[in-house]
Amino acid sequence: KNQVEQSPQSLIILEGKNCTLQCNYTVSPFSNLRWYKQDTGRGPVSLTIMTFSENTKSNGRYTATLDADTKQSSLHITASQLSDSASYICVVILSGYALNFGKGTSLLVTP
Amino acid sequence: GAVVSQHPSRVICKSGTSVKIECRSLDFQATTMFWYRQFPKKSLMLMATSNEGSKATYEQGVEKDKFLINHASLTLSTLTVTSAHPEDSSFYICSAPGPETQYFGPGTRLLVL
Repeated sequence: KNQVEQSPQSLIILEGKNCTLQCNYTVSPFSNLRWYKQDTGRGPVSLTIMTFSENTKSNGRYTATLDADTKQSSLHITASQLSDSASYICVVILSGYALNFGKGTSLLVTP
Repeated sequence: GAVVSQHPSRVICKSGTSVKIECRSLDFQATTMFWYRQFPKKSLMLMATSNEGSKATYEQGVEKDKFLINHASLTLSTLTVTSAHPEDSSFYICSAPGPETQYFGPGTRLLVL
């Protein structure tokens, strides 16, 4: 069973709307949790990095939250744009270089 | 910011030939790099860990004789797919731990005919 579960698997929203992506993990303890954006046919690009003690981290229209008690993280996208269409991957890092990947949420923003 | 590059970005080869993919850290040194394979609409799967100055560490189920890894310098790792077969067609991505986070390359699309 994957230690990092993401939901929904895919999502379609209208341009300008907000959305929230979920990440539940069982990996514990961990060093940090990261959200990446992966455009089709490209490598992942880091959006946010949160350590175990952080609750929220923002990067422009992207805001990530972390609840270490419930082992949940979310990525909120505000005022979505067409260019936000991509796969969003939640990655939990145990320690050192041990990365645990979620399967990603595929987001499609339509006009 | 830190950048990881890959070359080539895409390659088409005949079955039975070998293909070399390069991964470079452009403005930082990386004693360790990682190679992933990603099939369509699937998550990244770690293939191996490339270590400068020592042998690569392969994940279970990955054939080390088929996927040759050489960490030639602190900024370069290469993955050679030997005797490629159509089932090796995939998207190969490398990453390196940099100053602030794990940086991923742009990926290499391999198509074996």
